[in-house]
Amino acid sequence: AQSVSQHNHHVILSEAASLELGCNYSYGGTVNLFWYVQYPGQHLQLLLKYFSGDPLVKGIKGFEAEFIKSKFSFNLRKPSVQWSDTAEYFCAVRRGGGADGLTFGKGTHLIIQP
Amino acid sequence: NAGVTQTPKFQVLKTGQSMTLQCAQDMNHEYMSWYRQDPGMGLRLIHYSVGAGITDQGEVPNGYNVSRSTTEDFPLRLLSAAPSQTSVYFCASSYLQAGANVLTFGAGSRLTVL
Repeated sequence: AQSVSQHNHHVILSEAASLELGCNYSYGGTVNLFWYVQYPGQHLQLLLKYFSGDPLVKGIKGFEAEFIKSKFSFNLRKPSVQWSDTAEYFCAVRRGGGADGLTFGKGTHLIIQP
Repeated sequence: NAGVTQTPKFQVLKTGQSMTLQCAQDMNHEYMSWYRQDPGMGLRLIHYSVGAGITDQGEVPNGYNVSRSTTEDFPLRLLSAAPSQTSVYFCASSYLQAGANVLTFGAGSRLTVL
């Protein structure tokens, strides 16, 4: 079974700082990759996804992620964070083409200080 | 368009009681699933379904029961609640077609078992 590892459980940044959240997965075959965000008290919302093609994907709110197949990684980036980016971020993977559920990482709690 | 609707939002049970968490979607999604979210654990898949009459177990199915009699509904049953089932439960649905199988989440149901 695949697994997902998020390197940082808690990250604290100041506004305008750059962000990179690490995500590595264990499955060796074709994968679909996702980043979800959960704002305080809310449900999960999709930030961005990768199915195939250009390994650099852009999502909502200025986020992007790069799929590096050789490193089994899908790191999330944002050049300049805002206070409103305070949230929990989850990386998730599914075997490509499968109907299986997503396997989630344990999440990264991001706090942006004004 | 309501998306994925979960009820109830909050529930308190005593050990041994039974209850059903309801999930309904109006997007004609074939795929539906239940996750539980626990602090520091991310989201873990309980059960999923790829269509009416078809269900399968996820990572943590013990203590939970599901059925899928219609495309729209996917209830989660706790037959005899235990304190270990205290959690936030999320229902999610998607199309099955590759490239369109992006999960949409409900708002969550917070369950406390005393």
